[in-house]
Amino acid sequence: AQSVTQLGSHVSVSEGALVLLRCNYSSSVPPYLFWYVQYPNQGLQLLLKYTSAATLVKGINGFEAEFKKSETSFHLTKPSAHMSDAAEYFCAVSDRRNQGGKLIFGQGTELSVKP
Amino acid sequence: EPEVTQTPSHQVTQMGQEVILRCVPISNHLYFYWYRQILGQKVEFLVSFYNNEISEKSEIFDDQFSVERPDGSNFTLKIRSTKLEDSAMYFCASSVQQGQETQYFGPGTRLLVL
Repeated sequence: AQSVTQLGSHVSVSEGALVLLRCNYSSSVPPYLFWYVQYPNQGLQLLLKYTSAATLVKGINGFEAEFKKSETSFHLTKPSAHMSDAAEYFCAVSDRRNQGGKLIFGQGTELSVKP
Repeated sequence: EPEVTQTPSHQVTQMGQEVILRCVPISNHLYFYWYRQILGQKVEFLVSFYNNEISEKSEIFDDQFSVERPDGSNFTLKIRSTKLEDSAMYFCASSVQQGQETQYFGPGTRLLVL
């Protein structure tokens, strides 16, 4: 069965500092991987996704993530944090063999950005 | 930009009552989903729906739950007899295709069962 683990339920960085949100997955076959962001009182918005093309994926708002098969990881990074990045971030996995298309989510990481 | 909408944004109900949560997916999307998030827990998959049939459902999606696309625009989740543990945020999502295609999420309906 597939699963996702996000290390750290809460991450705090200073404005301008590197953002690193960790995601590890478990899957018997190469999965599809996603990062979603949730701002307060809003739905989940896709930041980026990996679907087996380039292993380094660039998303919106300056975020990127690298698929590392050997480490079963898909960590999210941003070189310089902005106050507007404060939100909850979810890593998710989908089984490419699955006809239903369900997403399996991690626990989420709340990102705080200090001025 | 097209978006998924959900109504109501908040619903309070008594245990044992029936509730219907409504969603309007993006118009050209063919796959529809319901997820829920109990406070402080993961977002959990409930069900996926395509071509007027359930494609997949989770263990959570038992006989008290049902989904329907009553017309060309709405997608509903019905909980027949609500329990306290059904209190959660319920998210609707839609996508053009399944798998690698992006699922677009609505803002959610917060359901509180008393």
